[in-house]
Amino acid sequence: AQSVTQLDSHVSVSEGTPVLLRCNYSSSYSPSLFWYVQHPNKGLQLLLKYTSAATLVKGINGFEAEFKKSETSFHLTKPSAHMSDAAEYFCVVNTNAGKSTFGDGTTLTVKP
Amino acid sequence: EAQVTQNPRYLITVTGKKLTVTCSQNMNHEYMSWYRQDPGLGLRQIYYSMNVEVTDKGDVPEGYKVSRKEKRNFPLILESPSPNQTSLYFCASSFYLPRTASGANVLTFGAGSRLTVL
Repeated sequence: AQSVTQLDSHVSVSEGTPVLLRCNYSSSYSPSLFWYVQHPNKGLQLLLKYTSAATLVKGINGFEAEFKKSETSFHLTKPSAHMSDAAEYFCVVNTNAGKSTFGDGTTLTVKP
Repeated sequence: EAQVTQNPRYLITVTGKKLTVTCSQNMNHEYMSWYRQDPGLGLRQIYYSMNVEVTDKGDVPEGYKVSRKEKRNFPLILESPSPNQTSLYFCASSFYLPRTASGANVLTFGAGSRLTVL
């Protein structure tokens, strides 16, 4: 069985300040982990992925995430938020068996 | 252009009237999957398919059927829709590769189909 917990349903930051979106997972197997972003009324777009290579993963638009096996975490960070980062973010865990489990999502608000 | 195409994008129907949401991809992906998105619940997997004629249940399969007769198509069938199936539906596809491969299981999503059942 696998599960994903996004620890914050809403995060609000000021433009130019750091972003931290937290994700914890559980999986019976060594998982692949992903972050996807969904802008309002849009589909989902891949931000970054972890597939057992480097534990610090860099994605698009300045986002990165660090896989910490001991903490079963895959938190998403960005040094400086931009207004265009306002969106909903989903942490996802996949197994080789084809099951994919999404977290409930974190809505990021960026204040001017 | 590489894409996943869903139709219809919007549909309002009535309880019990069978409907099909089509999904087609042009990337020769082995893996295809359906999700529903509801406020506060993220995306929940309905069914997925590892390849032609291979399908399996996700977390919320009740009330839905799928088929995978061709590699490019993966329709979602609601035999007798009910109001609790009102939702935003996404189809997605990917190559099926060992997880150590750099492109493993990166999903390409369709634009979504908003379904309302009255």
